[in-house]
Amino acid sequence: EVQLVQSGAEVKKPGESLKISCKGSGYSFTSHWIAWVRQMPGKGLEWVGIIHPGDSDTRYSPSLQGQVIISADKSINTAYLQWRSLEASDTAIFYCARRSLGISHNPFDIWGQGTVVTVSS
Amino acid sequence: DIQMTQSPSTLSASVGDRVTITCRASQSISDWLAWYQQKPGKAPDLLIYKASNLQSGVPSRFSGSGSGTEFTLTISSLQPDDFATYYCQHYNNYPYTFGRGTKLDIK
Repeated sequence: EVQLVQSGAEVKKPGESLKISCKGSGYSFTSHWIAWVRQMPGKGLEWVGIIHPGDSDTRYSPSLQGQVIISADKSINTAYLQWRSLEASDTAIFYCARRSLGISHNPFDIWGQGTVVTVSS
Repeated sequence: DIQMTQSPSTLSASVGDRVTITCRASQSISDWLAWYQQKPGKAPDLLIYKASNLQSGVPSRFSGSGSGTEFTLTISSLQPDDFATYYCQHYNNYPYTFGRGTKLDIK
């Protein structure tokens, strides 16, 4: 079965660091880009960034660049989303999603279950 | 960045109704447009890609149309399982922005 399994919920204090993960299975992990999508409480979906696990080519949303770090370890089929210093405004659900394969442009066909990140003093 | 404008933001309908949701892009995206369904507490699911192609396993009552800047998602006969929030997303170039969503609820 093709799936993305994300790490569990996190509760952190402002200023703390955090790294959440997304592990792919059932397919060739290095063949598909993996994206991160944010959903703030009661709000819509927001594209955070995307990484190609094969060569670690990474793109960020202009509004979030510098706020987060996206990385991947292809030896363990895992992508990561990382913060060096969390703020209360980082409280959200974060989804990873696989970009489907095709000739050129492709949507997200497989999603992780989501990781709830709560930042509160 | 390309902006995606969805309307309406909320839609009240009954089982059996035909409903249409509209999505407009701030510039042409050809047909690089996807629709997702999200239920409370769940991750989004891909319904339609390339504006009008049904993802495998999605019921045929869902359909999509459009190209350029104007797109629609139609549900021909609403079923109880369809009450959810729907998002459009372009994937013409990075960043792949989403619309703000349309919440479809029971009238």
